[in-house]
Order: sequence, then C-alpha cells, then structure tokens
Amino acid sequence: KAGVTQTPRYLIKTRGQQVTLSCSPISGHRSVSWYQQTPGQGLQFLFEYFSETQRNKGNFPGRFSGRQFSNSRSEMNVSTLELGDSALYLCASSRGPGGLQETQYFGPGTRLLVL
Amino acid sequence: QQQVKQSPQSLIVQKGGISIINCAYENTAFDYFPWYQQFPGKGPALLIAIRPDVSEKKEGRFTISFNKSAKQFSLHIMDSQPGDSATYFCAATVQGGSEKLVFGKGTKLTVNP
Repeated sequence: KAGVTQTPRYLIKTRGQQVTLSCSPISGHRSVSWYQQTPGQGLQFLFEYFSETQRNKGNFPGRFSGRQFSNSRSEMNVSTLELGDSALYLCASSRGPGGLQETQYFGPGTRLLVL
Repeated sequence: QQQVKQSPQSLIVQKGGISIINCAYENTAFDYFPWYQQFPGKGPALLIAIRPDVSEKKEGRFTISFNKSAKQFSLHIMDSQPGDSATYFCAATVQGGSEKLVFGKGTKLTVNP
C-alpha cells in the first residue's frame, strides 16, 4: 500500500509570492491534516480536512488555507509568503474521525524556503 | 501555551544503554498519547501509542510508561542501537474525532556505537 505522498518535495520562493502544496493520502484514508515543522516552534497543527470540509484549524493567519477534493487529495496554499514561512510542511492522513483515535500517517513533507 | 512539554532536548547514550524521554501534559482531556520517530529528511513515523487506561505498553525494545495522576508519560528504549538515532516526538490528542495532534518539541537521540 502506497504511503502518503507530497509534492513538490522542495520549493524555493521569494517574499510576497504564493505557493500551493499537494498531498495524496493513503488509499482509503479520508482525513488529511497539515502541520508546519520548524526548528524553533516544532510541529504545529495547521488544519484538518474530512470529506472536503475543514474540521479543525490551528492558530495560523488567514494567509494559510487549504482544501480537500472528492478523492481525498488535499492542497494547502500560502499567500503573500514571509521569510518566517520557511519550514517543512507535513501532511498526515488517517481513515477518518470517529470515537476511537485513528493513527495518523505522515508523508515526507515539502521543504519550503522563502528568500 | 505549550500543552506538551518534552525533555531532554537532546540525549546521547551508548549502544546497549537505555534511552529515556519524558513528556508532561496539561490538558486532562487528552486521552491518546503517541510517540513518533523522525529521521532526517523523512516525515514522523508512529512508533508506539498508549491510552490513559493503561499504565505501561511495550512493543519490542520500546516501552511507554504512563502516569495519569502526574500527567506524565515517558518512552524507554532498551538496548539502544545506533539505528535508533533519530528525533523522537511525544504527542497528545483528545478523543472525539479531533485529528489534531499536539506535539512536544522533540528529543534528538544519538546512540554511539
């Protein structure tokens, strides 16, 4: 079974630009969460999607947005990039929410560098 | 507000030794506590997880100890190997369908041969 895939793996942008990152979850998984990982702040939750609906959102500015498609694939977008947005962006998929916790499986991440 | 505090930041042990990483949480609603292992250039991978109704869970050389009253949990790696050298993250989340994981800051483990 293929794991979570993220594209692109590496990205260099300049301040003010916007960027779109893509995530394909494990087949059969319907929930996708996004995290930002930086050396200073560690792993921070961005948002979570299930059935094309955002169910949860972390404490990030509105420049960070996302969406999920009917095939469960997800994209996140960052507009008006700032230097501080340089980070590893991780996508995690799970079967979906429910009464029991579902294991989240992470992709390899997209390394974004903002110059 | 850091909801999950992890220590130490870095840890160096000799091959064959025991590695111990500790985490403390504040939110008593947390009811699922996974540990993730991350190698450079890779995403975090689930290592082992525990729920608060269990005080200890063991999988191979990895053991989670959980102290609900103290709101603490720890990861023990027995017979540590150089291949265990990685960054370890504890995490916590709330039952009820929330997919949000709250992570500790991570511990960089180095196992010397």
